[in-house]
Amino acid sequence: NAGVTQTPKFQVLKTGQSMTLQCAQDMNHEYMSWYRQDPGMGLRLIHYSVGAGITDQGEVPNGYNVSRSTTEDFPLRLLSAAPSQTSVYFCASRPGQSYGYTFGSGTRLTVV
Amino acid sequence: EDQVTQSPEALRLQEGESSSLNCSYTVSGLRGLFWYRQDPGKGPEFLFTLYSAGEEKEKERLKATLTKKESFLHITAPKPEDSATYLCAVQVGSGGGADGLTFGKGTHLIIQP
Repeated sequence: NAGVTQTPKFQVLKTGQSMTLQCAQDMNHEYMSWYRQDPGMGLRLIHYSVGAGITDQGEVPNGYNVSRSTTEDFPLRLLSAAPSQTSVYFCASRPGQSYGYTFGSGTRLTVV
Repeated sequence: EDQVTQSPEALRLQEGESSSLNCSYTVSGLRGLFWYRQDPGKGPEFLFTLYSAGEEKEKERLKATLTKKESFLHITAPKPEDSATYLCAVQVGSGGGADGLTFGKGTHLIIQP
C-alpha cells in the first residue's frame, strides 16, 4: 500500500523554466490537494480537487496549474518558475471532508 | 480572516514531563479541527479530528481536546520518540476553498532523555 507518492523528491530549476510535480494515490480518495510549506509560514493551500474533472484554487494559486483527469493522479504544473516558488511541496488526499489528509513525503524545489 | 495560532512555537521537555500544546482559532463555521505530527523531512502524519466543543480523542500518550475557541494537545509522560513538530489545522465552511485546511505554524517539541 503505497499511499500518496510524489516525484521527484528534489528539483532545482532555473528562473523561467516550467515543470510538473507528480502526485499519485492508490487509496481511491476523491479529495486531493497541493500545499506548499515555507519556513515561518506554515502549510498553505495551492489548489485542490474534490473529484476527477473538478479542481479549484486555494490560498496561493498564482503561477501554478492543476488538472485531475483520473482519481489517482493530481499533477501540479509550474508555468514559469520564480525564486519565490522555492519551497517544499506536499500533495495530500482523503476520502472526504470528515477524514484526515494522508500526505506524501514532499518535493523540495529550489528555483535559482 | 480565518486564523490559527499555535503556542508555544517551541517546547523542550524532559522525558516523562507532561505538558500541553495550544491551538487557538478564529474562524467562521468550524467544520473540524485536525492535529498532525510532522517529522523532519517528511510529510505531516494525521493524528486526530475533533468536530465539536467538549470532544476528546486519545492515542497512546496524546490526548486532544476542543473548546469553542481553542484546542489542546496534551502529552502525558512523553518519550524522546514523541519529538516532532505538531501542526493544528481547521476546516471551515468558507475560505481556503471547499476542501481547504488552514494550518497553524506548528509547535516544535523536543523531548530530552
